[in-house]
Amino acid sequence: DIQLTQSPSSLSASVGDRVTITCRASRSITSHLHWYQKKPGKAPNLLIFATSSLQSGVPSRFSGSGSGTDFALTISSLHPEDFATYYCQQSYTSPLTFGQGTKVEIK
Amino acid sequence: EVQLSESGGNLVQPGGSLRLSCAASGFTFTNFAMSWVRQAPGKGLEWVAGMSISGATTIYAASVKGRFTVSRDNSKNTLYLQMNSLRAEDTAVYYCAKDSFPSITTDSRFDHWGQGALVTVSS
Repeated sequence: DIQLTQSPSSLSASVGDRVTITCRASRSITSHLHWYQKKPGKAPNLLIFATSSLQSGVPSRFSGSGSGTDFALTISSLHPEDFATYYCQQSYTSPLTFGQGTKVEIK
Repeated sequence: EVQLSESGGNLVQPGGSLRLSCAASGFTFTNFAMSWVRQAPGKGLEWVAGMSISGATTIYAASVKGRFTVSRDNSKNTLYLQMNSLRAEDTAVYYCAKDSFPSITTDSRFDHWGQGALVTVSS
């Protein structure tokens, strides 16, 4: 199975900050990497698919980059509603796997 | 509007069985693969199982293979998860998730999710 390791596991940031979360795969997954936002008690929400494509309806402050084994999700300017946990997911091979999550908290 | 609504979550004893249902609406159910994803208390997301549009392809996580069975009734726009031989570690919120493609592919991602059904395995 492909393991996805996210860094950091948690971070504290302020509204307006630029935030970057990384996701490292245990072997190359080319560009088959997606990002989700998850809030407590709510369903996950797809933000970015195929490394860098913005899902319809998602604000443009979210962006994705990377290839091979190293990927990143960047929030250019943190909004109050962005405090949540973020997960990466690979679809390169079955079983589909998720990273362990990165919790973004208010400083 | 795409809607996914899970039902069937409950408290069950170890070794017991439970069937979850996911009723889909607002899209052409027969055009998309579907999956189940779970989140144990205080843990991250774990993909459990997925099924292609016809049911010809089903894939399972190693942790549930042989115990769980995913199925779908395209005439009822409903996805199911039959869970047998349940263990304490199966305790989680189970989400039904719509794939962006007709089958589980290298591009599979989940563009819509249900609100989840809580399954608690405890004596």
